[in-house]
Amino acid sequence: DSGVTQTPKHLITATGQRVTLRCSPRSGDLSVYWYQQSLDQGLQFLIQYYNGEERAKGNILERFSAQQFPDLHSELNLSSLELGDSALYFCASSVASGGPFDEQFFGPGTRLTVL
Amino acid sequence: DAKTTQPPSMDCAEGRAANLPCNHSTISGNEYVYWYRQIHSQGPQYIIHGLKNNETNEMASLIITEDRKSSTLILPHATLRDTAVYYCIVPINEKLTFGTGTRLTIIP
Repeated sequence: DSGVTQTPKHLITATGQRVTLRCSPRSGDLSVYWYQQSLDQGLQFLIQYYNGEERAKGNILERFSAQQFPDLHSELNLSSLELGDSALYFCASSVASGGPFDEQFFGPGTRLTVL
Repeated sequence: DAKTTQPPSMDCAEGRAANLPCNHSTISGNEYVYWYRQIHSQGPQYIIHGLKNNETNEMASLIITEDRKSSTLILPHATLRDTAVYYCIVPINEKLTFGTGTRLTIIP
C-alpha cells in the first residue's frame, strides 16, 4: 500500500459525458501527478500540481483539467468523453516538487471505460 | 518518446538473479536513471535510481557502466512476485517518461 488513494476504482460511462477522478496523496506529500495508461499509448504523464499550483504539463488534452485543493487532494476532470479515453488513470504523489530524490508513490488507479 | 531502450520481455528462473538491461546512450552528465516496476495493472512502484555509481537497496542493485550509456538492474533472488513490467527511465524535462519496459516473467 503506497498511501495514495484513488476513487472510484472503476467507472463506466458513455461518450460525451463528464467524469471526475479523485486522488488523495500520502500524508505530507505536496505534489500530485496524473498519468494515463491505455493499451496503445503506455503510461503517459498528464499534469503535476505542487502545493495547489500547476507545476508541469504533459500530454493532457484540452477536454481534461485538474486541480489541487487546499487539503492537497486532487481531482482530474474529463469531459466530452470519447471511446479513446478509456484507460487506467493513475495518480502519484511526492514530497517535493520534483527532482532526482523526489520519489513518486503511485495509487491503485481508476479504470475508466467509455461506451 | 522515452530516452531508453529495453528488451520487450525476459524470463528468469525462480531463485536466480534477474538481470535487466537498459540502453540510454543519449543520457547527459547530470541525468539520473530510474527504475520502476508495474505488477499487472497496479500502480508503478519505485525500485532504485542512480547517477554514476552503482547503487543497492533492499529491492535491487543498479549497475551503471562507466560511460553511463547503459545500466543493468539486478534482482538478486527472483521470486514469483517479481513478475512485472520493469521500466528504465531517464526523465525528460524532469518528468518520468515511461517507455514500453521489459516484461519479466519468473518461472517456477
